[in-house]
Amino acid sequence: DQQVKQNSPSLSVQEGRISILNCDYTNSMFDYFLWYKKYPAEGPTFLISISSIKDKNEDGRFTVFLNKSAKHLSLHIVPSQPGDSAVYFCAASLSGGGADGLTFGKGTHLIIQP
Amino acid sequence: DGGITQSPKYLFRKEGQNVTLSCEQNLNHDAMYWYRQDPGQGLRLIYYSQIVNDFQKGDIAEGYSVSREKKESFPLTVTSAQKNPTAFYLCASSTTRQETQYFGPGTRLLVL
Repeated sequence: DQQVKQNSPSLSVQEGRISILNCDYTNSMFDYFLWYKKYPAEGPTFLISISSIKDKNEDGRFTVFLNKSAKHLSLHIVPSQPGDSAVYFCAASLSGGGADGLTFGKGTHLIIQP
Repeated sequence: DGGITQSPKYLFRKEGQNVTLSCEQNLNHDAMYWYRQDPGQGLRLIYYSQIVNDFQKGDIAEGYSVSREKKESFPLTVTSAQKNPTAFYLCASSTTRQETQYFGPGTRLLVL
């Protein structure tokens, strides 16, 4: 049973517009959430994270929003650029202090169109 | 240059053979992890280690074994008991105080 779900396998967005990637989770014990970006045949690259005590975290063009009551988080990319085309994974952590494994969603393939 | 290295990039396994995937990090991280990615799937945790000489099973540990004799190294052995070993294997590391994990470039394992 998937504890972290990314229900959109793919998303197509025009260059310059906002990309919104969504992630839902079922385990209320998750307390830290991360987004990774992955190109084919490469390892994932960490993008941005958020602790459950916050509802928003921003880093340049990337903003993550967390709605704990809905068990939902989203990644906003503004403006979208061609280099943003990749698979984006949402991940969650139970540990509250690090050093345990992450639980990943299946990923969303973001395609930025010129 | 700090980072995580995995070797080889591609690995071929014959039926009934054990193969070992290498993972090395020079980030001075205490914790290391192995994940497996299948096509169209997310990453699934195989094993992790929070400290030298100690490791724990993840969600899909059957058919795999690990060792952690040095802080910098966390090799993964895919044994003949793993019936579906073809996948992309990713190693990661982190401090024990942070959830953020940093990944290596991966090893693709193929069965001949």
